[in-house]
Amino acid sequence: GAVVSQHPSWVICKSGTSVKIECRSLDFQATTMFWYRQFPKQSLMLMATSNEGSKATYEQGVEKDKFLINHASLTLSTLTVTSAHPEDSSFYICSARVGLGSNQPQHFGDGTRLSIL
Amino acid sequence: GENVEQHPSTLSVQEGDSAVIKCTYSDSASNYFPWYKQELGKRPQLIIDIRSNVGEKKDQRIAVTLNKTAKHFSLHITETQPEDSAVYFCAATVFGNEKLTFGTGTRLTIIP
Repeated sequence: GAVVSQHPSWVICKSGTSVKIECRSLDFQATTMFWYRQFPKQSLMLMATSNEGSKATYEQGVEKDKFLINHASLTLSTLTVTSAHPEDSSFYICSARVGLGSNQPQHFGDGTRLSIL
Repeated sequence: GENVEQHPSTLSVQEGDSAVIKCTYSDSASNYFPWYKQELGKRPQLIIDIRSNVGEKKDQRIAVTLNKTAKHFSLHITETQPEDSAVYFCAATVFGNEKLTFGTGTRLTIIP
């Protein structure tokens, strides 16, 4: 149980392109999903918290107009990197929390490796 | 906000020996402490977690201990195997807060 699916797994595109990444909880409903960014050999950096039916909460320093998050249903959250540039190249991972409450486990998707040329 | 420190950053252990990774946290209101294993290029996988009302939890070769007074928690892996080689992250969440704060990770290498 607690499977999180993330697509696409790999994206290579030209500078200026917008890229949408999907995160789905397959066998449970997730009121809250999270979007992380991970640089090589580093820890996971939380970008934003996505709550179903409401606006996402962004971490300090993360541009909300650059990284658009939509959580339209209890099983789907999307991250759109708008007008992507080479510095946006990174590994983006989503997670979904099982159940309510801050002491409930988060399960991660497989991640999306984004390369902007 | 919460700050989580993790040590060591790298750890090499002979196959069959035990490995211990330690984390400290700053916010005494933290109440949930998961551990994740991440293999190269793959998703972090939840391997064990502990809540603040428990001092120790064990699952086969993996155990986690929590010392709330000292604000630290540790991951113990016994009888290590080559497939245990990965990066391990500890994390903590503060009661009432949505998010996890991760440690910086430990690269564990099991030497055959």
